Amino acid sequence: GNSVTQMEGPVTLSEEAFLTINCTYTATGYPSLFWYVQYPGEGLQLLLKATKADDKGSNKGFEATYRKETTSFHLEKGSVQVSDSAVYFCAPRACWGGSEKLVFGKGTKLTVNP
Amino acid sequence: KAGVTQTPRYLIKTRGQQVTLSCSPISGHRSVSWYQQTPGQGLQFLFEYFSETQRNKGNFPGRFSGRQFSNSRSEMNVSTLELGDSALYLCASSFWGRPSPNKSKPEAFFGQGTRLTVV
Repeated sequence: GNSVTQMEGPVTLSEEAFLTINCTYTATGYPSLFWYVQYPGEGLQLLLKATKADDKGSNKGFEATYRKETTSFHLEKGSVQVSDSAVYFCAPRACWGGSEKLVFGKGTKLTVNP
Repeated sequence: KAGVTQTPRYLIKTRGQQVTLSCSPISGHRSVSWYQQTPGQGLQFLFEYFSETQRNKGNFPGRFSGRQFSNSRSEMNVSTLELGDSALYLCASSFWGRPSPNKSKPEAFFGQGTRLTVV
């Protein structure tokens, strides 16, 4: 089956620090890869995506590259802000059992201090 | 374009009761999935509907059920509520639902969720 191993938090950083959240996955076929973000009290928002090997997804200063050879999709940001404090989820979507579904990592809680 | 709408936002129920949650997907989206989110188990897949048919189901007891209507709106029902059913229930809609191993997969757009508390 499909599964995701995501770096567990919590992660606490100072403003302008560099962020990396590791994510590796197992999936059948050719998954598309997503990072979602959840702010307190809200649902999930799509942060970025990549749909084929070597694609780089980017949004709001966050980046992640689809590494098929290492089955990884690590999230990075060069300079975090207090407003980036949230929970981040890595989620591959693959064809499995005749349909497609997202499989989520456990989430990484990020706190950015001023 | 309106996003995914879930109603109600908050719900308090008593053990043994049943509850129905509603989800209206983004216009044009025919695939709707449901997830349960708890602090202990994280995000767990409940089921997915496409064109009124349940296409995939997670590992939840039969007390959890759902359906989808011809306008793609979906409902999920939980009968005989237990304390452990307290959770945030999230609905997600996607534009394209035909499974294809070799093609890119569509992103899912989530609603704000329904916070269910069972007392």
